[in-house]
Amino acid sequence: ETGVTQTPRHLVMGMTNKKSLKCEQHLGHNAMYWYKQSAKKPLELMFVYSLEERVENNSVPSRFSPECPNSSHLFLHLHTLQPEDSALYLCASSQVYSLADYNEQFFGPGTRLTVL
Amino acid sequence: GIQVEQSPPDLILQEGANSTLRCNFSDSVNNLQWFHQNPWGQLINLFYIPSGTKQNGRLSATTVATERYSLLYISSSQTTDSGVYFCAVEEGGATNKLIFGTGTLLAVQP
Repeated sequence: ETGVTQTPRHLVMGMTNKKSLKCEQHLGHNAMYWYKQSAKKPLELMFVYSLEERVENNSVPSRFSPECPNSSHLFLHLHTLQPEDSALYLCASSQVYSLADYNEQFFGPGTRLTVL
Repeated sequence: GIQVEQSPPDLILQEGANSTLRCNFSDSVNNLQWFHQNPWGQLINLFYIPSGTKQNGRLSATTVATERYSLLYISSSQTTDSGVYFCAVEEGGATNKLIFGTGTLLAVQP
């Protein structure tokens, strides 16, 4: 596997379900990101992890819970979601998360989530 | 926060035509990236271009940071160029979050 991978690619869940999205990067990067892309809206940053520590939480509701067990893996745990949470969830990684350094972000293919 | 505007919002081209996509941003930025999102949702990196001009095959990009805009040129367009093109800027200051524009939807017809 190369680059950034995400599983599952598609997910349908009810409002009372609990599910998790997984992201894995094979680039040796130290920063990982979750973004949400809703229809007709720009991509929105949700969370940023740098060296396994959460450094950004962009006012995301608590029904979304991120986890970064190591620098290669990132999870997004979902519980009691709403239909308006249906969207494409994209994971990205970059070499570092630093003002002074090169910070090009590379994206995974996304998980298309539908909440019924 | 910083605003990122892209134009045009939609563009239809005949195969072989050239086009220019524009990205304006409202404040100084550390960096800028151009992406192509294919019909399956995958964001593909095109350019990492905080300033200057870069070329990659039929694509090239120019960022004039002092005037707060970037341009993406597509020459001899192909149907596989269809999709949404996003520019994203990295805010200056205390954070280096990527802020995305609303995108340009490009359809290249055979």
